[in-house]
Amino acid sequence: DIQMIQSPSSLSASVGDRVTITCRASQSVAGYLNWYQQKPGKAPKLLIYAASSLQSGVPSRFSGSGSGTDFTLTISSLQLEDFATYYCQQSYRTRTFGQGTKVEIK
Amino acid sequence: QITLKESGPTLVKPTQTLTLTCSFSGFSLSSSGVAVDWIRQPPGKALEWLALIYWDDNKRYSPSLKSRLTITKDTSKNQVVLTMTNMDPVDTATYYCAHSYNFDNSGSFFDAFDTWGQGTMVTVSS
Repeated sequence: DIQMIQSPSSLSASVGDRVTITCRASQSVAGYLNWYQQKPGKAPKLLIYAASSLQSGVPSRFSGSGSGTDFTLTISSLQLEDFATYYCQQSYRTRTFGQGTKVEIK
Repeated sequence: QITLKESGPTLVKPTQTLTLTCSFSGFSLSSSGVAVDWIRQPPGKALEWLALIYWDDNKRYSPSLKSRLTITKDTSKNQVVLTMTNMDPVDTATYYCAHSYNFDNSGSFFDAFDTWGQGTMVTVSS
């Protein structure tokens, strides 16, 4: 099965910062990569699908890039409501999630 | 509007079998391309994908849990059922079901979980 490794596992940032989270697959997943945001006690929310397509209703400060094995989620200007945990997930061969990246307030 | 809701026991004993039901509305599991997945999350830990069932009754399971899982659907009731045998305290988690949408991206199709249930917490303890 395909393993997904996110880095960093956690980060501290301030409102207005540009934040980048990386996700690496153990083998190519082409563009079959999704990103989710999860807040405590809530179900995850889809942000990005197909590596770079913004889900309807998601702010444009979120963007995704990459293909094959290396992917990036970028938040261009961090807002208070963006402090959460972010997960990547591949849908190339069944599904696998990354271990998550927690974005905390500096 | 698509909604999903998980139901089942909140407490199970070790070695017992867990049966969870996902009741959904707003879509049909007989429509081409549709799937429903189960995902779990132990307290304070990451999401773990468990199983999926497609509209055509094809099923996929997590390799590490395949021997313990069974997923079925009842299209007439708009329900998907997950059973997990031989429960252990390490299976304590919030269990989610999710609608897998087949996004059309320039003629290629990509699955993603566009709608999730609220989750149901299951504790395994004697």
